[in-house]
Amino acid sequence: DAGVTQSPTHLIKTRGQQVTLRCSPKSGHDTVSWYQQALGQGPQFIFQYYEEEERQRGNFPDRFSGHQFPNYSSELNVNALLLGDSALYLCASSLGATGYTFGSGTRLTVV
Amino acid sequence: AQSVSQHNHHVILSEAASLELGCNYSYGGTVNLFWYVQYPGQHLQLLLKYLSGDPLVKGIKGFEAEFIKSKFSFNLRKPSVQWSDTAEYFCAVNAGNNRKLIWGLGTSLAVNP
Repeated sequence: DAGVTQSPTHLIKTRGQQVTLRCSPKSGHDTVSWYQQALGQGPQFIFQYYEEEERQRGNFPDRFSGHQFPNYSSELNVNALLLGDSALYLCASSLGATGYTFGSGTRLTVV
Repeated sequence: AQSVSQHNHHVILSEAASLELGCNYSYGGTVNLFWYVQYPGQHLQLLLKYLSGDPLVKGIKGFEAEFIKSKFSFNLRKPSVQWSDTAEYFCAVNAGNNRKLIWGLGTSLAVNP
């Protein structure tokens, strides 16, 4: 049990569509970070939320957006999907900056 | 810009061999350092972390890492690997109170029985 729950686990979308991925953080954690992991690569930071605001953002276009809810859960939205958006999307929760727990990820395939 | 370098992209060892995976980072201030492991088909799991104090950190499954500030390094070690250690290993760093993790590209370890 990872403590962080992500849904769905897999999905297939068509180019141009929009997708929403969801994350429930580990109990007691207040910060949610999203990462994109391409096959054979390390995770790439997308953005981070705490106190319901985007606090930091990586080098991703505005097509990637997110939200954090009062219960600390979070969503990642990707608009106008491209083939290159196919990847494993990871959610990590933490309390502050000292320990991150990762979910199992959502495998997104864009066809 | 902050960066993390992992020197070995692919490592192949026989069981009982010793392991050392290199990790260097570029940031001059206070850092928190992490090693994560990703077993085939599984999520990222924390192996160990350095936040402060003793620079020799012990983690799960017999792994340890040493923080050498003067070398900006945080190398991962295990004296005797097992077949079950076959996985992808990632080094990650965040700077001070910055909650964003910077990741290395990962090292793929294959342990032959």
